[in-house]
Amino acid sequence: SQTIHQWPATLVQPVGSPLSLECTVEGTSNPNLYWYRQAAGRGLQLLFYSVGIGQISSEVPQNLSASRPQDRQFILSSKKLLLSDSGFYLCAWSAQETQYFGPGTRLLVL
Amino acid sequence: GESVGLHLPTLSVQEGDNSIINCAYSNSASDYFIWYKQESGKGPQFIIDIRSNMDKRQGQRVTVLLNKTVKHLSLQIAATQPGDSAVYFCAETPRDYKLSFGAGTTVTVRA
Repeated sequence: SQTIHQWPATLVQPVGSPLSLECTVEGTSNPNLYWYRQAAGRGLQLLFYSVGIGQISSEVPQNLSASRPQDRQFILSSKKLLLSDSGFYLCAWSAQETQYFGPGTRLLVL
Repeated sequence: GESVGLHLPTLSVQEGDNSIINCAYSNSASDYFIWYKQESGKGPQFIIDIRSNMDKRQGQRVTVLLNKTVKHLSLQIAATQPGDSAVYFCAETPRDYKLSFGAGTTVTVRA
């Protein structure tokens, strides 16, 4: 069966510091991968998606970037965090339409 | 903007009663819909899905109804249990494999 991992689970970072969140998927090959952000009490906002290694599409202009160095690895990064980057970050994978989510990373920027 | 929305942000239901969560969508081109359950501090969990060529689909204690005429989707939970307390999201696929999510309905089960 497929599993999706995210780490860290929780992160507290100062404004202006860099960020690297990692997501890995097991048990499937060539998945579509997604990064979402969820503000408190809100829905999910798609940030990036990838259909293959090195292929990244950005949905919204922002302070973040994404990379896919391996088939089942998806990384969310920032060079300098902003207060507004705080939130719950979710990674998801799909083979077709159905997306399956990881446990999420809660990021607090102070 | 989001094309999927929910009629009510909160729903309080007595344990053992049935729950109905509603969702409206605006993109008539969407052909696949999903309901997710998200417990506090966790990622969304897939509950059930339905394609646009169906009106109804049943799972274990859950039923999804799709009314394409009025672009309405609902999730029915039978014999609601305390473990059903969560935020429920509907999602549609208006394009490619990218889902569009509603804001969510918070379901609270009263003992």
